Parts: sequence; structure tokens; C-alpha cells
Amino acid sequence: GESVGLHLPTLSVQEGDNSIINCAYSNSASDYFIWYKQESGKGPQFIIDIRSNMDKRQGQRVTVLLNKTVKHLSLQIAATQPGDSAVYFCAENSGGSNYKLTFGKGTLLTVNP
Amino acid sequence: GAGVSQTPSNKVTEKGKYVELRCDPISGHTALYWYRQSLGQGPEFLIYFQGTGAADDSGLPNDRFFAVRPEGSVSTLKIQRTERGDSAVYLCASSLLDRPLNTGELFFGEGSRLTVL
Repeated sequence: GESVGLHLPTLSVQEGDNSIINCAYSNSASDYFIWYKQESGKGPQFIIDIRSNMDKRQGQRVTVLLNKTVKHLSLQIAATQPGDSAVYFCAENSGGSNYKLTFGKGTLLTVNP
Repeated sequence: GAGVSQTPSNKVTEKGKYVELRCDPISGHTALYWYRQSLGQGPEFLIYFQGTGAADDSGLPNDRFFAVRPEGSVSTLKIQRTERGDSAVYLCASSLLDRPLNTGELFFGEGSRLTVL
């Protein structure tokens, strides 16, 4: 079935470097995408979202890029800090749903001091 | 409360037993969701409540799973005749708006970790 997936299950970076986490989605009817951060033992925490009528959105130290042509989503974290170490999930509103999310598998980001 | 509260945080039970997991949403939030997260996976949708009614329970894996929200606030996820494959973290989320995915205002609790021996 259609699903959201991630290219890289683990990513290790040095403190201060920029991080890029990628995600592929396959449900062309999805029109809203969210990145979540999940620390060990905690629930997912909203980072940033983007609608399908946009290709880029910036937040504080984070940028999400959306390429609808190839169904690809990425999360860029600038000047990565040890506190950014966590699992990052992309999620899509399942086929355009206004309440149901389909999550990808997750990428473990490790920031080395 | 300040956030979504889930109890118990950890539950260990034996195969075949009955389990209840409780979710206390953020005060005033009308929408409530249950997701299940297996080890190394992303959360999977189980059920969505708008007020007291289950608007979508299509994610419940089988009839051993049931959830209620009798007064439109606290919700209980009930699992009968537990199986080892039910072991996972059960996450609850709530939102103020009935269409949270337009704003991203979906708040998750820390989850209840269920282990079935």
C-alpha cells in the first residue's frame, strides 16, 4: 500500500554542522506534511509543517522543503546542537485526511559534541 | 493539565489478560486520537474521537481493541485477551480544533508502554 518512508535510518553529525533528513512519500493525494521530533521516552513533538501549495517553509533553525514532482520531503536543521539528538519522523495527512496522519519509519539523528 | 497525560506509563501483563490504558487530554480539547507505535516504527493511527463519539475507528486492528470517551474528555483504550504482538507504545493526542491537520496543533502524550509476556 501507499506509505511514507525515509531514505536514511540513522544520521550522525558534528555539533554546529547542518543536518538534512529526507523522506519519500507515495500518496499523491496527501496535501499536508509535518515533521515531528521524538526524544527517548516521549511523544512526538511538532517541529514544522508545510502544505502542498508551498515548496519551502522556514522556522527557527529548521527548514522544510517539499518536491511534489518526485514526492520528496526534507528537513534541514541549521547549526545542529546536542539537544537536537532524537528520532525524526515525517508524516502526511493520509490521502488528504483532515485528521489522520501516516508516519514514516523515522531517522535517528545523533549529534556529536 | 498542562499537557496530554497518559497512565500507566508502563504496563506489563501476561498473554490473555485484559488491559486498560487511560488518556487525559488537554483541557478543552474536543478531538482525541490514539496511535500505536511499535519498536523502531512510526506511530500508526488507531482511532479518532470528536467529542464523545468515535468518528473513525478504522485503525483498530481487530475486535479485541475498543476505546471509549463517555464524557468527551478522558478516553480509555481497552484491549481484551492480550497477545504478545500487542506490545507497543500506545500514544494519545488531542487537539482544540476539529481539523488540527491544517494547523499542526496536535499534541501527543508520552505514551503508555505495554509489554505482553
